[in-house]
Amino acid sequence: QKEVEQNSGPLSVPEGAIASLNCTYSDRGSQSFFWYRQYSGKSPELIMSIYSNGDKEDGRFTAQLNKASQYVSLLIRDSQPSDSATYLCAVVKAAGNKLTFGGGTRVLVKP
Amino acid sequence: DVKVTQSSRYLVKRTGEKVFLECVQDMDHENMFWYRQDPGLGLRLIYFSYDVKMKEKGDIPEGYSVSREKKERFSLILESASTNQTSMYLCASRVGGQETQYFGPGTRLLVL
Repeated sequence: QKEVEQNSGPLSVPEGAIASLNCTYSDRGSQSFFWYRQYSGKSPELIMSIYSNGDKEDGRFTAQLNKASQYVSLLIRDSQPSDSATYLCAVVKAAGNKLTFGGGTRVLVKP
Repeated sequence: DVKVTQSSRYLVKRTGEKVFLECVQDMDHENMFWYRQDPGLGLRLIYFSYDVKMKEKGDIPEGYSVSREKKERFSLILESASTNQTSMYLCASRVGGQETQYFGPGTRLLVL
């Protein structure tokens, strides 16, 4: 089992719809969770961080964390073609402070 | 704005060559990291450094070494490049004690 798992996609979403991305992690003691966006040929950029159970909203993005079920999700509302990218989930495990990344989910927003 | 730069965007090397990848950050960050990114595997940590002259192995250090002689610069060295080291290499930095990492633009290395 990978430490951080994501569906590789592609997740195809019509423009204006909600894109829902999921990420599961294996270390129950993980404390910090991040979503990075990576455009093709570019480096990752941080879009959301979440540390406690529940929802965290930032503009069109909502991160949801459920530590009991060991998953974190990202919702993108009113999806735009410019949201087409690979979204990487990253987790800081309980021991140490290194980021562990999932394989990424490719999102394709179609006009 | 945090700026992390990498010495090359694209690099082509031959098997057995010694390869140096350089990363420089201008924000006085204590911590620096080297990752490689391969399709479907996400980013995997090669080495990291908490401070000058300090280094620790990440998840996949075999075939690599690093050097951090100055705070702003973190070098990744492939002692004898092999074809399985063909990859995208990403450098990142962060303030010590914080978790947000800032990434450089990446170096796409092809080993023939």
